[in-house]
Order: sequence, then structure tokens, then C-alpha cells
Amino acid sequence: EAAVTQSPRNKVTVTGGNVTLSCRQTNSHNYMYWYRQDTGHGLRLIHYSYGAGNLQIGDVPDGYKATRTTQEDFFLLLELASPSQTSLYFCASSDELSQDTQYFGPGTRLLVL
Amino acid sequence: GDSVTQTEGPVTVSESESLIINCTYSATSIAYPNLFWYVRYPGEGLQLLLKVITAGQKGSSRGFEATYNKETTSFHLQKASVQESDSAVYYCALGDLASGSWQLIFGSGTQLTVMP
Repeated sequence: EAAVTQSPRNKVTVTGGNVTLSCRQTNSHNYMYWYRQDTGHGLRLIHYSYGAGNLQIGDVPDGYKATRTTQEDFFLLLELASPSQTSLYFCASSDELSQDTQYFGPGTRLLVL
Repeated sequence: GDSVTQTEGPVTVSESESLIINCTYSATSIAYPNLFWYVRYPGEGLQLLLKVITAGQKGSSRGFEATYNKETTSFHLQKASVQESDSAVYYCALGDLASGSWQLIFGSGTQLTVMP
């Protein structure tokens, strides 16, 4: 049973479209993260959270919003999608005592036309 | 800022051959960062392969090994005899303490294909 799940697994939208990516973890972890992965780059941190209602800005936050509604659920919102946001998105979670040991979901592939 | 550089892929080797994927790091915010190798199999998320938190120590898992070398700031991944099932993308990463919380800084990943 996967501890970090993401939906949808694939998404196609048009420029200017509104997209929500969902992530749920059953690890009882406090920390959750959203990354994007592009060819030639490592995973880059978009936003992260250390609990319900909390949001922290990562390294590449422009064009993204995020919301942590519960300990389990973390959402990434693209309100005006652009082709530059075409990417593979990963969600992850970690325990407060070992924050840099993260557990990842399977990823969502987003294509913005 | 901190950074990680690793072997550019794709890398193709034959089954039972040896493997080394190079990784070097630059850490400015912390003297001795935790070092990691993550692996991503096709269709799956990243999984922790091994973690080493002490300079000079070696980590090992599933036949892979990596030694934390603070002199050369390296953390190369090695395996003596690869299998077809090792085909995956491998990411080197360091743990960085920024803004009061730990974050991972990743290398760009190395695509490994093992030919039967």
C-alpha cells in the first residue's frame, strides 16, 4: 500500500488553464513537499508545509500556489498554467525528526499546450 | 548556494559489469551535510537507496555502496555487478538546512540502463 499517492497521474491542459494537483500521505508525517523535475535539472522545490494550514515557499514558487488542508493532504494549484510549467511533479513527505529523509509519490506528468 | 553535480546520463552497461556514478557536492550552509542516493524505477516515485551522515563512513544497500569523502566532497555510487533490474534513474542529494528546516538539494539524475 503506497504511503504517498498523487492524482492525477497525467494531465493535459491549455495555456491559461486552471490545474490542481493532489497529494495524500498516510505516513503521519508533518512535512510535505512539492517538487518539479525537468530534464537536465534535479528536483526543484516549489512549496512545502510543516502542518495543516502552513505553507512555506521553496526555490521555484513563481506561478504556483499550494494549500495544506489536513495533515494528509497537500495541493498544488496552477491558476494560469503556462507551457513553462510542463513538467513532472513529485510530492513527498517526511518526519519532523528526519526531515531530509523524504518519501515520494509516483509523480504527475503535466503537459501545458 | 549548495549544489550537487553527478554523472550525466544516459549510462548503459551490460549485466554483471561494474558501475560507478560520480557525485560531487558543494555545501555552503553546512560543513558536513547528510548525503543521499535516491533511485526512481520506471513509473514509480523516488525511493531512498542509501544515506550517510558521517564523513568517512560508507553506506550500502541492494549491492550499491557510496563513501562520504569530505576531502574530495564526493559521494560516488558503485556496484560491483549490476543486474537488469537496476535500470532506473539515480539521484545524488544533500540535506541542507535552510530557513530553519531541512531540505534536499538534488543532482540532475543519471539514467542507467542495464542490458541483458
